[in-house]
Amino acid sequence: EAGVAQSPRYKIIEKRQSVAFWCNPISGHATLYWYQQILGQGPKLLIQFQNNGVVDDSQLPKDRFSAERLKGVDSTLKIQPAKLEDSAVYLCASSPQWGYEQYFGPGTRLTVT
Amino acid sequence: AQSVTQLDSQVPVFEEAPVELRCNYSSSVSVYLFWYVQYPNQGLQLLLKYLSGSTLVESINGFEAEFNKSQTSFHLRKPSVHISDTAEYFCAVMPTGGGNKLTFGTGTQLKVEL
Repeated sequence: EAGVAQSPRYKIIEKRQSVAFWCNPISGHATLYWYQQILGQGPKLLIQFQNNGVVDDSQLPKDRFSAERLKGVDSTLKIQPAKLEDSAVYLCASSPQWGYEQYFGPGTRLTVT
Repeated sequence: AQSVTQLDSQVPVFEEAPVELRCNYSSSVSVYLFWYVQYPNQGLQLLLKYLSGSTLVESINGFEAEFNKSQTSFHLRKPSVHISDTAEYFCAVMPTGGGNKLTFGTGTQLKVEL
């Protein structure tokens, strides 16, 4: 079974530029999560989708971050415009609708200069 | 709201020595408890979990953790570590009432030395 796929793996941008990350969850997983992991901290949930609906986006900085999950499968996370403090690893995870275990992708390391 | 405290940011240990990684949590509701491991340049992998039943849970690679409700702790232990155990370990909690929202600690870097 293929795991959670993410791209790109690394991205370097200048502040005020835009960037987008892509995630393909495990086939059949209804729930998809985006986390932000700043160096030295644990992952922090940004947004959770159930199929193509948003379940929780309470910690998403909506003035600059947006996410969508079209057709309840792939998802994209966008930052526009980026700030220096957005430098982090962005992790995507998925889980079955009735399961507790979340399966994580390898992450995208974003550096904002 | 939930919070997780991992007091040790780094734990150096010699190979074949025992190790304990500490995790304490705070929550106003019942929670499930998890340990995730992150190897260099990889995503997080579930190491073990406590959902219900026996308070002592084990992983396939020799780690174990014990849920202590009175002390709100879920410490991770291994009697004899290997070089390949070098990684970052994250403790996390999830409310039992639904939502599947994980709250992570800040992580403990385990470095196994020869």
